[in-house]
Amino acid sequence: NAGVTQTPKFRVLKTGQSMTLLCAQDMNHEYMYWYRQDPGMGLRLIHYSVGEGTTAKGEVPDGYNVSRLKKQNFLLGLESAAPSQTSVYFCASSRDSKETQYFGPGTRLLVL
Amino acid sequence: GIQVEQSPPDLILQEGANSTLRCNFSDSVNNLQWFHQNPWGQLINLFYIPSGTKQNGRLSATTVATERYSLLYISSSQTTDSGVYFCAPYNTDKLIFGTGTRLQVFP
Repeated sequence: NAGVTQTPKFRVLKTGQSMTLLCAQDMNHEYMYWYRQDPGMGLRLIHYSVGEGTTAKGEVPDGYNVSRLKKQNFLLGLESAAPSQTSVYFCASSRDSKETQYFGPGTRLLVL
Repeated sequence: GIQVEQSPPDLILQEGANSTLRCNFSDSVNNLQWFHQNPWGQLINLFYIPSGTKQNGRLSATTVATERYSLLYISSSQTTDSGVYFCAPYNTDKLIFGTGTRLQVFP
């Protein structure tokens, strides 16, 4: 039981490049979330999903897209990366919206 | 939206000391989680505590939802307790993170 895993662990992009971050969970959770954490701050919600095939915007959705084609996977896409998107990205999952969220190890992204 | 304030922002302790971290929130919440982010960046669930008191070893937490605050107690601190502690109340079914308390425990 791996819990929540994230791929890749670290990535460097040039401004304008695109990439996809993958989150996978093996707990059969309905809810999945993408957060970003900037230095010295707490996490902020980017997008979330309440079940397979659904997505919704969080607090800071601009510049990101997401997809939840399979229940166990939640993808975060950057179509045209900007230096302001340099951050650590965390994925989380939960059984429902009011239950404990379990977090992945994070992906460190640097946009030059 | 809901505002979350954590205090103190920074805390330095010698090993063996006790401490209390506070989390105030500006609106009613359904639930609340406490996390420890270790120096390697990993987020570790500590407590899921909508109200009342829970204990897990040297750590305990109390949430008084009617008065809009939660407390995290760390007793007999150890160097491995170092890191950042976040509280995150649930508001409209989403976690809202505070800016954290950075704890450094020295031997």
